[in-house]
Amino acid sequence: DTGVSQDPRHKITKRGQNVTFRCDPISEHNRLYWYRQTLGQGPEFLTYFQNEAQLEKSRLLSDRFSAERPKGSFSTLEIQRTEQGDSAMYLCASSLGDANTQYFGPGTRLTVL
Amino acid sequence: GDSVTQMEGPVTLSEEAFLTINCTYTATGYPSLFWYVQYPGEGLQLLLKATKADDKGSNKGFEATYRKETTSFHLEKGSVQVSDSAVYFCALYHTGNQFYFGTGTSLTVIP
Repeated sequence: DTGVSQDPRHKITKRGQNVTFRCDPISEHNRLYWYRQTLGQGPEFLTYFQNEAQLEKSRLLSDRFSAERPKGSFSTLEIQRTEQGDSAMYLCASSLGDANTQYFGPGTRLTVL
Repeated sequence: GDSVTQMEGPVTLSEEAFLTINCTYTATGYPSLFWYVQYPGEGLQLLLKATKADDKGSNKGFEATYRKETTSFHLEKGSVQVSDSAVYFCALYHTGNQFYFGTGTSLTVIP
């Protein structure tokens, strides 16, 4: 299975620490998306890449959050100085061409103590 | 702004019962509409979609019709199975390359 993969699947950290998540999209998918999902809610859009270019960022993406996709393949999402409110599931999705059909990874569950 | 409102759960049904999960949307123009499903411990999977008014999306016995006049995209299945137990998300895609998801409806099907 060569679906979207995310690493790690779970991360527990202390408040104030930095964390970094990785997403590997489906091979050759040129679009990559990051979402955040909290308990009992649907995914909320964070940011989007087309190839290596970050084309859109949500207002949810504060200056403590940064995302990169340096070679247009995998992407990283870094959260600096984590806060308890950052605790959530972080989802990555990718698509090829038609942005309507996104394929989601299993997510990274972040717990900030 | 764009938004999706879906029926609150949880929903519990007996096997072979009829399922309806309501979804309505608010958007300007003509968005595409989707249903995603999330099985326990797994990522979201696209269940079905419709890209224009009056289109019907269908997959695995599930159906939803894009109704512009009522701004709705209700999910239906004639006979649910235990394996359909999951959380179902209605979603909207519009200009700006953003998806807007509903809050999800948890479905449990009992034998």
